[in-house]
Amino acid sequence: GAVVSQHPSWVICKSGTSVKIECRSLDFQATTMFWYRQFPKQSLMLMATSNEGSKATYEQGVEKDKFLINHASLTLSTLTVTSAHPEDSSFYICSARIVGETQYFGPGTRLLVL
Amino acid sequence: AQKITQTQPGMFVQEKEAVTLDCTYDTSDPSYGLFWYKQPSSGEMIFLIYQGSYDQQNATEGRYSLNFQKARKSANLVISASQLGDSAMYFCAMSFLIQGAQKLVFGQGTRLTINP
Repeated sequence: GAVVSQHPSWVICKSGTSVKIECRSLDFQATTMFWYRQFPKQSLMLMATSNEGSKATYEQGVEKDKFLINHASLTLSTLTVTSAHPEDSSFYICSARIVGETQYFGPGTRLLVL
Repeated sequence: AQKITQTQPGMFVQEKEAVTLDCTYDTSDPSYGLFWYKQPSSGEMIFLIYQGSYDQQNATEGRYSLNFQKARKSANLVISASQLGDSAMYFCAMSFLIQGAQKLVFGQGTRLTINP
């Protein structure tokens, strides 16, 4: 089956630093990748949609300068949380999609900003 | 606007019993997809089952079945013969097209606990 990986799975950083999270589709080429955010005991909220080689489309209320998304290839998308603050602490999940098929989710990255 | 509603924050069921998790949705689009995902404490989202809006028959995948009632806009998940390993958060989601891009919107989730 389609496998999506994320790295790192856990990250703890100091306030003010930037953190990069990688999302890779391991055995398929994804036409589109998605980034979600999940606060404790809440649902997944879509942050942005990215297509390879083009700019990401951000959902309303998501700061694009805060959450930089780069989709350099059909198998890799990165999310960089710039100048992270404690309120950015959350569970970040990516997913990858092949045209005409469902989204396949990565295992998620837990970010804790101190 | 598209919306998914899961009205059961938590469910407690005895092992081996069947359980129904409720999901209702709202959309004016004729074409959409309905999904159920399982999220254990590890956080990964595990795809369980899919139902297309034009599918005539209810989807089934092993112990999972989707009770799709289009007129009522409901897509309940039925788990037969529940197991201890079924304890997890369950999310209902709907896919729809907006400006050429397919997106998923999730419900609030139901925490299912299977008691031995």
